[in-house]
Amino acid sequence: GAVVSQHPSWVICKSGTSVKIECRSLDFQATTMFWYRQFPKQSLMLMATSNEGSKATYEQGVEKDKFLINHASLTLSTLTVTSAHPEDSSFYICSARDPGADSPLHFGNGTRLTVT
Amino acid sequence: AQTVTQSQPEMSVQEAETVTLSCTYDTSENNYYLFWYKQPPSRQMILVIRQEAYKQQNATENRFSVNFQKAAKSFSLKISDSQLGDTAMYFCAFMKGGTASKLTFGTGTRLQVTL
Repeated sequence: GAVVSQHPSWVICKSGTSVKIECRSLDFQATTMFWYRQFPKQSLMLMATSNEGSKATYEQGVEKDKFLINHASLTLSTLTVTSAHPEDSSFYICSARDPGADSPLHFGNGTRLTVT
Repeated sequence: AQTVTQSQPEMSVQEAETVTLSCTYDTSENNYYLFWYKQPPSRQMILVIRQEAYKQQNATENRFSVNFQKAAKSFSLKISDSQLGDTAMYFCAFMKGGTASKLTFGTGTRLQVTL
């Protein structure tokens, strides 16, 4: 079945540095990918919609200059957390949809980011 | 905008018993999909079951079935013959029809299956 690979699965970085998270669709082309953020014991909150070849669409309250999204190919979207701070520590999950008419979203396994 | 409400933060069920998780939603859309996702401690999101709004028949997947009440905007999940491996967070989610549509999640229900 369709697979979405997310890398890294966990990362620890120092405050002020930037971290890049990759999301790849392995056996289908995804014109649209989604980035979610999940705090402990909470639900998934959509951060942005990543569109191949164009600018991402950010949800209200999400800083586009802090969370840079690039979707340069049909199989890869990246999320870069710039100048990370401890409050950015969270679980980030990407998802993508096989453009078939009747298919669900497929999720990556998530990235646990810890900023020290 | 769509909203999804899960009113049960935590549920507990004994092994082999049946449990029902509640979900209500609000939308003005006619073409949409509803989902239940399971998130075990590994935090991987696993699709449990999906329902197309245009289908009157309730979806079933082995031990999992839904009670979809479109007029009432209700979408409950029934787990039969509960197993220890069913212990997880369960999220109800809404998606508007269309290839680029995003998921809107409820707040989740933590299900504990006990011996």
